[in-house]
Amino acid sequence: AQKVTQAQTEISVVEKEDVTLDCVYETRDTTYYLFWYKQPPSGELVFLIRRNSFDEQNEISGRYSWNFQKSTSSFNFTITASQVVDSAVYFCALSEARSSGSARQLTFGSGTQLTVLP
Amino acid sequence: EAQVTQNPRYLITVTGKKLTVTCSQNMNHEYMSWYRQDPGLGLRQIYYSMNVEVTDKGDVPEGYKVSRKEKRNFPLILESPSPNQTSLYFCASSQILQGMPEKLFFGSGTQLSVL
Repeated sequence: AQKVTQAQTEISVVEKEDVTLDCVYETRDTTYYLFWYKQPPSGELVFLIRRNSFDEQNEISGRYSWNFQKSTSSFNFTITASQVVDSAVYFCALSEARSSGSARQLTFGSGTQLTVLP
Repeated sequence: EAQVTQNPRYLITVTGKKLTVTCSQNMNHEYMSWYRQDPGLGLRQIYYSMNVEVTDKGDVPEGYKVSRKEKRNFPLILESPSPNQTSLYFCASSQILQGMPEKLFFGSGTQLSVL
């Protein structure tokens, strides 16, 4: 069964610090996708990134970067020069094929609450 | 405007009284799904649908039903709600890319309390 672990329940940093959110996953599939979503205090859920299992290149988008390492089954998310507006719950998620081959299930981690203090 | 619409936003009910939470999307997405969010547990998938008339169980399907008669609608039905179904519920939709949901668009959530 697929599983996503976000061991950091809460992280607190001061503005302008860099912060890394950890995500470790378990899957038996060779083909799978990993995601990050953001849930700000307003409650909506916002897509950040999708990465497939065959693409291990790191990705950078502005202050956000993602480090995908298959060898350690990790897909970590770093925010550089954090800002107060980055305060949110961040979820890592995994999508893999069912054994039937035709269905797709999405499993989320328990989330990391990031608080950026001014 | 592209969106996923859930109704109602808040619902208080009593044990055993059947209820339906509606979900509708206007993006012609094939994939739709339901999640519940509980403190410390993150989001757990209840049911998902890859297309019309195709539904499958997620991690926590017990006590829930869904149907996908039309592409745009994916209602969540609680036939006999119990207090342990008190939770924040999210509906989501996505187009499918390379056989997987590409990226989920979420509704605003439904806070359900079962007394």
